[in-house]
Amino acid sequence: GAVVSQHPSRVICKSGTSVKIECRSLDFQATTMFWYRQFPKQSLMLMATSNEGSKATYEQGVEKDKFLINHASLTLSTLTVTSAHPEDSSFYICSAMGNLEAFFGQGTRLTVV
Amino acid sequence: GQQLNQSPQSMFIQEGEDVSMNCTSSSIFNTWLWYKQDPGEGPVLLIALYKAGELTSNGRLTAQFGITRKDSFLNISASIPSDVGIYFCAGQNGQNFVFGPGTRLSVLP
Repeated sequence: GAVVSQHPSRVICKSGTSVKIECRSLDFQATTMFWYRQFPKQSLMLMATSNEGSKATYEQGVEKDKFLINHASLTLSTLTVTSAHPEDSSFYICSAMGNLEAFFGQGTRLTVV
Repeated sequence: GQQLNQSPQSMFIQEGEDVSMNCTSSSIFNTWLWYKQDPGEGPVLLIALYKAGELTSNGRLTAQFGITRKDSFLNISASIPSDVGIYFCAGQNGQNFVFGPGTRLSVLP
């Protein structure tokens, strides 16, 4: 199947700093990518839909100024958690739309201390 | 918005048993997808279904796309310990992609 690479897999940062997470589709072009957040033992919560060359569409309750999404090319979308706080600690997962299916990255475990 | 329901939410089975889980929606989808997520990892695509009524197998896994296009089921035969994880269904129409809440599977030795 298609490969989606997410980096970093783990990151620990200090409160107040910003963290950037990258999501790359390695062997296909993705006009649409999705960003999810997952709390322990819970399902994936869609945060935003990222479309190449346009602004991301955020789900209700997700602060667009805090979770900055950039989808500058057909193979790369980035999520930047700005001014991170301990409550932003979570597992973040991206997915990229292929022709008919979506493929997921490996996830990023963010810990804010 | 569109929502998917998955049942059961969780299940505990003995190794070797067969498993069945399903996914329902109030909306029609053109594609149904089944994913498995291991702890600390991203979901991995197991089976994709593209036509109403389609029955597709992948090893011990079998999934069907419901005739009404509003549901799908996933069966796992002869479960093994590595089948443990969360199974998510997803419905897709074009760029619209809706994810179910997941079924958590535990396999007892």
